[in-house]
Amino acid sequence: QKEVEQDPGPLSVPEGAIVSLNCTYSNSAFQYFMWYRQYSRKGPELLMYTYSSGNKEDGRFTAQVDKSSKYISLFIRDSQPSDSATYLCAMRANDMRFGAGTRLTVKP
Amino acid sequence: NAGVTQTPKFRVLKTGQSMTLLCAQDMNHEYMYWYRQDPGMGLRLIHYSVGEGTTAKGEVPDGYNVSRLKKQNFLLGLESAAPSQTSVYFCASTDTDTQYFGPGTRLTVL
Repeated sequence: QKEVEQDPGPLSVPEGAIVSLNCTYSNSAFQYFMWYRQYSRKGPELLMYTYSSGNKEDGRFTAQVDKSSKYISLFIRDSQPSDSATYLCAMRANDMRFGAGTRLTVKP
Repeated sequence: NAGVTQTPKFRVLKTGQSMTLLCAQDMNHEYMYWYRQDPGMGLRLIHYSVGEGTTAKGEVPDGYNVSRLKKQNFLLGLESAAPSQTSVYFCASTDTDTQYFGPGTRLTVL
């Protein structure tokens, strides 16, 4: 079993839809949780970072962490074609572990 | 401020050949990392460094060596390339919270 599980998709939604991306994990030592966005043939870039259970909002993006269920989510409101990318969840204890990434396409 | 740069961008090797990938950062970060990214596997940590002159193994270190002779540079070496090392390689550096990634090196081993 992988330490971090993420549905690879692909996920296709119409412009303006609410997108929900999720990851589960098995290692309770993970304390820091991140979401990265990766455009095609580019390096990942950090979108959201949190270290506690609960919600964190940044513009159209909301990161949610439930440590008791070992489950994290990223919500994208009013999705735009420019949000089309692969989204990677990541978690850190002593070093980082990444999910496989979910490929998202937002259609105009 | 270039951030994290990687050289080369693309490379094709034959089985058994050697090569070195160079990562450079201009943000004065102590921590640097090498990852490989494969379809369905996400990013996997190969080796990392917590400062000049130090290196440590990550999740998938076999077949790779690294060196951190200067704070701004982190080198990844393949002594005898194998087809299983065909991948996209990313370097990253970090302050306390955020990892900054380079643009990647696409390596094909025939």
